[in-house]
Amino acid sequence: DGGITQSPKYLFRKEGQNVTLSCEQNLNHDAMYWYRQDPGQGLRLIYYSQIVNDFQKGDIAEGYSVSREKKESFPLTVTSAQKNPTAFYLCASEEGLNQPQHFGDGTRLSIL
Amino acid sequence: KQEVTQIPAALSVPEGENLVLNCSFTDSAIYNLQWFRQDPGKGLTSLLLIQSSQREQTSGRLNASLDKSSGRCTLYIAASQPGDSATYLCAGRAAGNKLTFGGGTRVLVKP
Repeated sequence: DGGITQSPKYLFRKEGQNVTLSCEQNLNHDAMYWYRQDPGQGLRLIYYSQIVNDFQKGDIAEGYSVSREKKESFPLTVTSAQKNPTAFYLCASEEGLNQPQHFGDGTRLSIL
Repeated sequence: KQEVTQIPAALSVPEGENLVLNCSFTDSAIYNLQWFRQDPGKGLTSLLLIQSSQREQTSGRLNASLDKSSGRCTLYIAASQPGDSATYLCAGRAAGNKLTFGGGTRVLVKP
């Protein structure tokens, strides 16, 4: 079955710690995206990548970093510089601009 | 900058009634608009994608209608069922190729 796998489902971060969220897709899509969702709100774009070894900042990139070394993988690191990291993080991919985005099941990040 | 608004934030209807979900956008130079469904604690599931050149797009009980001149897209769900209870989000793609999401409408269909 083709799809997007996000792990872990739940993650806890200690003060001053960096944590990495995993996103893997087997849909052979070039473009991948990371979004943040806060309670009762829509999605806000953190970073996106349209091709391997290239990525761009979204609307709220401060305190986050990404890499895109393989087509299938787009990990997101939440650094200690992100002072309010508690949120639901969603990864998505798409085949092209005229195609719908496909989403993973998300990672819920909380502060210890 | 594209802004997408969904009103109301929550909606409750009895089973069998038709659902009407509204989405407004500020930039009429929209490329396409997508509707998604989100169940609690889950990711988004794509429902419909409507291109800027289209006025309507249909899938089963779902019908999306786009009016670029007024900056509105409406999602109709016919003969609602309790299983339709979820949050529905719309997202517009304009300049820069990024999707801009609305805040969503939380729907409850009462049996």
